[in-house]
Amino acid sequence: DVKVTQSSRYLVKRTGEKVFLECVQDMDHENMFWYRQDPGLGLRLIYFSYDVKMKEKGDIPEGYSVSREKKERFSLILESASTNQTSMYLCASSSPADRWLDTQYFGPGTRLTVL
Amino acid sequence: QKEVEQNSGPLSVPEGAIASLNCTYSDRGSQSFFWYRQYSGKSPELIMFIYSNGDKEDGRFTAQLNKASQYVSLLIRDSQPSDSATYLCAVPEAGSYQLTFGKGTKLSVIP
Repeated sequence: DVKVTQSSRYLVKRTGEKVFLECVQDMDHENMFWYRQDPGLGLRLIYFSYDVKMKEKGDIPEGYSVSREKKERFSLILESASTNQTSMYLCASSSPADRWLDTQYFGPGTRLTVL
Repeated sequence: QKEVEQNSGPLSVPEGAIASLNCTYSDRGSQSFFWYRQYSGKSPELIMFIYSNGDKEDGRFTAQLNKASQYVSLLIRDSQPSDSATYLCAVPEAGSYQLTFGKGTKLSVIP
């Protein structure tokens, strides 16, 4: 079974802090994704990566950066946390073996609260 | 921007009934479609995918695809309270590894 893990289930930070969210997958997947999910807005893609050291902006990259130094690990960084970044953050991974069956597998999520 | 539309619900059905969830998409070139289930406070989990016109059955779940009309549906037979969740429809973006998600339909199965 694919396993995607995230570093924290719940996180509380203060405005202005630098925040690191980490995601690790154990299935040798090339693709990894960071989403945030808010009520009424659905899942929104922040960044994704299709290879080590590669990254692409998603729909809402402002205020975020990412790092992918190893294939299994994809980090989301909030350079200076703000209250409007309070959200559920979800990491996902997939394999491009067959593009049209490119199922994404999700981690458990991190509920981030910025005070 | 490709669009995937779902009724937000809530959709309430009695236990044992058939729940019907619908999704429409804007890109006529879309070839495959995913249904994810998300329990409150949890992450989405894949329950079905379909890439051919017609029906695909897996246990109590049936996915139906009509490419001409650009809709995909999910039927849940013999609905159980444990099926109460939000169901997300997702469509791959052509030429990309991304999925476009609908905002989900919240299903409530009443005992």
